Amino acid sequence: GAGVSQSPRYKVAKRGQDVALRCDPISGHVSLFWYQQALGQGPEFLTYFQNEAQLDKSGLPSDRFFAERPEGSVSTLKIQRTQQEDSAVYLCASSSRLGGAYEQYFGPGTRLTVT
Amino acid sequence: RKEVEQDPGPFNVPEGATVAFNCTYSNSASQSFFWYRQDCRKEPKLLMSVYSSGNEDGRFTAQLNRASQYISLLIRDSKLSDSATYLCAVNLGINDMRFGAGTRLTVKP
Repeated sequence: GAGVSQSPRYKVAKRGQDVALRCDPISGHVSLFWYQQALGQGPEFLTYFQNEAQLDKSGLPSDRFFAERPEGSVSTLKIQRTQQEDSAVYLCASSSRLGGAYEQYFGPGTRLTVT
Repeated sequence: RKEVEQDPGPFNVPEGATVAFNCTYSNSASQSFFWYRQDCRKEPKLLMSVYSSGNEDGRFTAQLNRASQYISLLIRDSKLSDSATYLCAVNLGINDMRFGAGTRLTVKP
């Protein structure tokens, strides 16, 4: 079946603009994660959803970052007033199991460049 | 100390060589461990889970050492197509997985 999809694949934003990144998880997957990956680093946890509930947002770097999953499937990560340090690849992952202790399947990511 | 640490490499090995990577973790309560493979400019893909008793999948062997808090990945008879970055992942709490920075492997002809 279809894997995790993300859009857009690439986004260039001017500093101060707002951006919205979309994630379509694997159908039926209850858990959804957002990660930020800087060049040469591993993915850094941002936030976790169990169905529509955001159970953990401890990794969001500032209050400019906001994520939602209103119907328990598609999720959107919004970054307000983008800064240059927000430039990174934003990865979405989903899992059929509850919580973060199980295999996760990643989407192709959105590469965000803030100029 | 970082929560999950890996030797960044790069490891440059000839085809057919055996290569091993280690990954250390800080939380002794961690229960789940994984190895992911990430090709350049692609997403991480699950390579294998790591079980307490150790496990093997073809040329790949993963082991867990709880006492010393590390996991390892051994690749035997390495192929050109094994060239990638290998990320270890450890669950730190109920909801989050932490990744190492990755170890880069280049297999040369």
